Amino acid sequence: LAKTTQPISMDSYEGQEVNITCSHNNIATNDYITWYQQFPSQGPRFIIQGYKTKVTNEVASLFIPADRKSSTLSLPRVSLSDTAVYYCLVGDMLNAGNNRKLIWGLGTSLAVNP
Amino acid sequence: NAGVTQTPKFRVLKTGQSMTLLCAQDMNHEYMYWYRQDPGMGLRLIHYSVGEGTTAKGEVPDGYNVSRLKKQNFLLGLESAAPSQTSVYFCASSPMTGGSYNEQFFGPGTRLTVL
Repeated sequence: LAKTTQPISMDSYEGQEVNITCSHNNIATNDYITWYQQFPSQGPRFIIQGYKTKVTNEVASLFIPADRKSSTLSLPRVSLSDTAVYYCLVGDMLNAGNNRKLIWGLGTSLAVNP
Repeated sequence: NAGVTQTPKFRVLKTGQSMTLLCAQDMNHEYMYWYRQDPGMGLRLIHYSVGEGTTAKGEVPDGYNVSRLKKQNFLLGLESAAPSQTSVYFCASSPMTGGSYNEQFFGPGTRLTVL
């Protein structure tokens, strides 16, 4: 069963690039890696998802090495509004049966300072 | 689109009482999920559903029951509430096609306190 590990907290300043790494040594072949953002008193919100190599969208990039045992969420030029908790999720994309596994990390609390 | 909505937003129960949390989504998603979120524990999957009329156990199902009688609704029941069930409960839904298979859309949460 995959287990995800990520740093508890990180600090940054406005305008800097932030990289948050998640370790998932036991990732399964069918598992995708997804990152979510959560603000206080709200539900998590999808940021980006990938299977291997690099994925980029309008808000972030996701780097996944060939062995897929870790992944790095990259947030370019963060602002104060990026202060939130970021979760790594490893999930079985193809198993729609009763053994669906969704393994969430405990979250990284990012503080962006002025 | 309202997205995913949860009812109620807050609730206080006494030990042994029962209640039902309602989740509704208007995105025609096949999959729906119930999570609980506790400090230091992250999100833990309670039950999920892969379609109308189906339910399955997640990581922490004990003490909870669910039903998915209609595609758009997913109910979470606590038959006899215990203080250990004090938590924030999130409902989510996701489509089952393509690369967004695992993109879950979350509701705003229900904060439940069991005394």
